[in-house]
Amino acid sequence: DQQVKQNSPSLSVQEGRISILNCDYTNSMFDYFLWYKKYPAEGPTFLISISSIKDKNEDGRFTVFLNKSAKHLSLHIVPSQPGDSAVYFCAARGTPYSGAGSYQLTFGKGTKLSVIP
Amino acid sequence: GAGVSQTPSNKVTEKGKYVELRCDPISGHTALYWYRQSLGQGPEFLIYFQGTGAADDSGLPNDRFFAVRPEGSVSTLKIQRTERGDSAVYLCASSLGAAQETQYFGPGTRLLVL
Repeated sequence: DQQVKQNSPSLSVQEGRISILNCDYTNSMFDYFLWYKKYPAEGPTFLISISSIKDKNEDGRFTVFLNKSAKHLSLHIVPSQPGDSAVYFCAARGTPYSGAGSYQLTFGKGTKLSVIP
Repeated sequence: GAGVSQTPSNKVTEKGKYVELRCDPISGHTALYWYRQSLGQGPEFLIYFQGTGAADDSGLPNDRFFAVRPEGSVSTLKIQRTERGDSAVYLCASSLGAAQETQYFGPGTRLLVL
């Protein structure tokens, strides 16, 4: 049973437009959420994160929104650039005290973003 | 500033052989994690260390998999009697402490079992 779901395997966006990547989770005990970007043959690179006590976090062109009641988060990239083309993974973390396992990350399957020049 | 490093970057072995994968975390990071990523999937947790001890090994698929971190820095993931289904990218990550939310990943070791 997948606890973190990214239902769109791929997304294509024109350069300069907004990219919106979505993620849903089922475990209400998750308390921290992260987005990683991955290029081929490289490890995941941390992009941005959000604590469950917030509903928005912004870092430059990247904004993450969290809707706890819907168990949904999204990553907005604006404006999108060709260098943003990569696979984006949503990850969630609990703690040993929250009932969501230990400190390991639970990942979605990823969304491949293609930004077209 | 060195990030997480992993060696070898690629490993090809035959079914039934023994392999060791090494991870060198970011200096000063006390928490170290191993994940495995199969094709088309996200990384899946295997084991995490806080210092020298394995704080959670619930993700190890069976007793052919074992990991150590004897001095609280470098870690080795050991796979005995490899099977074709073990073929995957093995990722290592580290964080400043176990409660530190951001885990930083290495480039991974691509294991192919023939």
